[in-house]
Amino acid sequence: EPEVTQTPSHQVTQMGQEVILRCVPISNHLYFYWYRQILGQKVEFLVSFYNNEISEKSEIFDDQFSVERPDGSNFTLKIRSTKLEDSAMYFCASSFQNQETQYFGPGTRLLVL
Amino acid sequence: GEDVEQSLFLSVREGDSSVINCTYTDSSSTYLYWYKQEPGAGLQLLTYIFSNMDMKQDQRLTVLLNKKDKHLSLRIADTQTGDSAIYFCAGDLDTGRRALTFGSGTRLQVQP
Repeated sequence: EPEVTQTPSHQVTQMGQEVILRCVPISNHLYFYWYRQILGQKVEFLVSFYNNEISEKSEIFDDQFSVERPDGSNFTLKIRSTKLEDSAMYFCASSFQNQETQYFGPGTRLLVL
Repeated sequence: GEDVEQSLFLSVREGDSSVINCTYTDSSSTYLYWYKQEPGAGLQLLTYIFSNMDMKQDQRLTVLLNKKDKHLSLRIADTQTGDSAIYFCAGDLDTGRRALTFGSGTRLQVQP
């Protein structure tokens, strides 16, 4: 069964560094998403992406964050100048159509020291 | 704004039924979802229900939706120790938005 994959599974970085989290959505899906889950808290929406542009973003998704689909298969989340409070599990998801079921990847656990 | 609330913890004995409840504030959802998260793992889609349905059954899982009361429940029949996990309800609570709003999760503990 097709699934969303994410790399790396864990990343440790120093405060102020840039990180890139990678996702390979399900191949025929058209909508892509990033969510995050700070330890012990709710899963929060960050951004959705369709047709090579951001279609929605939350108030969390400020200028520190950017997303890109650099080729036909990868979808990336870049976090510039990481802060301690960026430590979280980051989930990528994809769906075939608008407001259809979103399938989540296994997540990347980011730890900022 | 939109919000989704769940009780934090549920403990049942193996073989019993589990019922996990969820309430939400916005009634414009198209779909409502149940996701399962095992320790250290990602979000596994368990089942979903379209907003014009009252009930959906999928093997051991039964989803009930009461739109009037904005209440969603997940019943797991014959609960097994492998069902121990955190269960999240989620919905696309704003018309036209794709973003899912998640509840805080219910930790289900199944006692052997």
